[in-house]
Amino acid sequence: EVQLVESGGGLVQPGGSLRLSCSASGFTFSSYAMHWVRQAPGKGLEYVSGISTNGDTTYYADSVKGRFTISRDNSKKTLYLQMSSLRTEDTAVYYCVKEVGITPRLRIDYWGLGTLVTVSS
Amino acid sequence: QSALTQPPSASGSPGQSVTISCTGTSSDVGGYNYVSWYQQHPGKAPKVMIYEVSKRPSGVPDRFSGSKSGNTASLTVSGLQAEDEAYYYCSSYAGSNNWGVFGGGTKLTVL
Repeated sequence: EVQLVESGGGLVQPGGSLRLSCSASGFTFSSYAMHWVRQAPGKGLEYVSGISTNGDTTYYADSVKGRFTISRDNSKKTLYLQMSSLRTEDTAVYYCVKEVGITPRLRIDYWGLGTLVTVSS
Repeated sequence: QSALTQPPSASGSPGQSVTISCTGTSSDVGGYNYVSWYQQHPGKAPKVMIYEVSKRPSGVPDRFSGSKSGNTASLTVSGLQAEDEAYYYCSSYAGSNNWGVFGGGTKLTVL
């Protein structure tokens, strides 16, 4: 059974940093592209970032470019999102999502349960 | 990275069919067959209902179907049931310089 378990969320002050982790199981992690998607309270879904199978290709939405860094450790079957210079508008539930295949095309087949990040003073 | 356009709400009575649209551009919906649809109940994570325009993951009822014409994709829910009441979001790949864009979401109400 595919499982994606996010962790690392919490309360952080504006300008602060936080690292999210997503532990994967039930599939060959190294064979699939992965993504982060977020949802602000009461709002819709927003694509944040994606990474290729070996980590050599990444993508960031304009809203987080230069502040967030996506990475992965295939030996640990874990996806990361390093967030810095956090703003109040980054407050959201962050979901780890799995691509259907090797190539990132936002064909998602599994979502994690999400981890809440709250940016507030 | 403009969001895809969805109607904010849709509704239908049990047993009826309802169609939700998702309008983009030739750079996203119209340019690729990588449109997906997600169902989200309050307080829950989204669930994939359709991917690659019209493919259904295993376990998704065949009452859910997807299609695309030009720059607009559509999700049709036939034989509406009470449990179909939820928010529905579309997404599309938009090229190597824009890996993903979502629609604003549609609240489906079963009357």
